Amino acid sequence: DTEVTQTPKHLVMGMTNKKSLKCEQHMGHRAMYWYKQKAKKPPELMFVYSYEKLSINESVPSRFSPECPNSSLLNLHLHALQPEDSALYLCASSSGTGDYGYTFGSGTRLTVV
Amino acid sequence: ELKVEQNPLFLSMQEGKNYTIYCNYSTTSDRLYWYRQDPGKSLESLFVLLSNGAVKQEGRLMASLDTKARLSTLHITAAVHDLSATYFCAVDYYGGSQGNLIFGKGTKLSVKP
Repeated sequence: DTEVTQTPKHLVMGMTNKKSLKCEQHMGHRAMYWYKQKAKKPPELMFVYSYEKLSINESVPSRFSPECPNSSLLNLHLHALQPEDSALYLCASSSGTGDYGYTFGSGTRLTVV
Repeated sequence: ELKVEQNPLFLSMQEGKNYTIYCNYSTTSDRLYWYRQDPGKSLESLFVLLSNGAVKQEGRLMASLDTKARLSTLHITAAVHDLSATYFCAVDYYGGSQGNLIFGKGTKLSVKP
């Protein structure tokens, strides 16, 4: 299995809702990432988990809450989002060794109404 | 802080022509990545360049890395319409204990008949 699987693919939520994005990989990669990509912009790093511990938090607002239950799973919990949080949310994983490749999931298109 | 600059940001080419996209970065890194993104889609890995002087080719695309000049190039040979997409370069940056990708702004390529 050489994929990163993200669910759901599309999500529409109200500003008072609570929802979660899920990301899963079975490549044995030790690092997992959340990126946010606004339209016509490059992906921007949000969080990095290394060996299931939060390694980097790029000053992301607390309405975004990451969780890494185990080495294969990464969640992003969403609460009280704003319309400007609408974006494509990309999950990625990397081994940190070997080919040093980063594998990206297909993304979740989030719309906040 | 690592900065990654791509140019041009927009490129309109005729089919059959050659062109080069440039990617400059501001701090030492030996790992440079090129991705393709189609509208509404996730990132597709094109090349991973892991050392000075690395050159990789796939079809009509060829990428190279000069770590001393902090420069990577993506050369397009005899462009075809199917290459129309946005191309991102990204640099692997170790700001702490874990690397992560910092992206350039992207080059939107449009190939016209």
